[in-house]
Amino acid sequence: AQSVTQLGSHVSVSEGALVLLRCNYSSSVPPYLFWYVQYPNQGLQLLLKYTSAATLVKGINGFEAEFKKSETSFHLTKPSAHMSDAAEYFCAVSELQGAQKLVFGQGTRLTINP
Amino acid sequence: GAGVSQSPSNKVTEKGKDVELRCDPISGHTALYWYRQRLGQGLEFLIYFQGNSAPDKSGLPSDRFSAERTGESVSTLTIQRTQQEDSAVYLCASSLDLAGLKNIQYFGAGTRLSVL
Repeated sequence: AQSVTQLGSHVSVSEGALVLLRCNYSSSVPPYLFWYVQYPNQGLQLLLKYTSAATLVKGINGFEAEFKKSETSFHLTKPSAHMSDAAEYFCAVSELQGAQKLVFGQGTRLTINP
Repeated sequence: GAGVSQSPSNKVTEKGKDVELRCDPISGHTALYWYRQRLGQGLEFLIYFQGNSAPDKSGLPSDRFSAERTGESVSTLTIQRTQQEDSAVYLCASSLDLAGLKNIQYFGAGTRLSVL
């Protein structure tokens, strides 16, 4: 069975500082990995996805994530936080085959301090 | 429409009542998913439809939950005899789900269900 663990339910950074949101996964097969962002009262929006091509994936809004198989990690980073980045971030994993349903982490709420 | 549409956006009901939640997927998307998001938690998979195949119902929490989809169009999620623990945001997603490709799931804004 697949699972996702996001370390830190709340992360707070200053505007302009580095953003690092941690995600570790468990999967018995090569996974597909995703980061979604959820702004208040909105649906989830895809930030980026890893599908076994390049291990460093660039997404929207300046975010990127690196797939590290040896660490079973897919941490999300952004060099310089912006106030508009304040939201909830979800890491998700799915299998290559089958229903392709997403298994989500618990989410990390990112707060940006002025 | 341009995106996944869900209705109603908010639903308040009394314990024991039945509710129906609706999802209009993106036109042409063959796959449709329902997820539940409880307060402060991640999303839980409920059910998956792919074309005319039998749905994957493995995530439905009890027999009070059911869902239907006609062809590749609208889906309804029904919760019978609602309980307070059913209070959550119910999210629908759709994707192209082409064989051999990992397609992106596009999410609606959700229906916030409150059971009093």
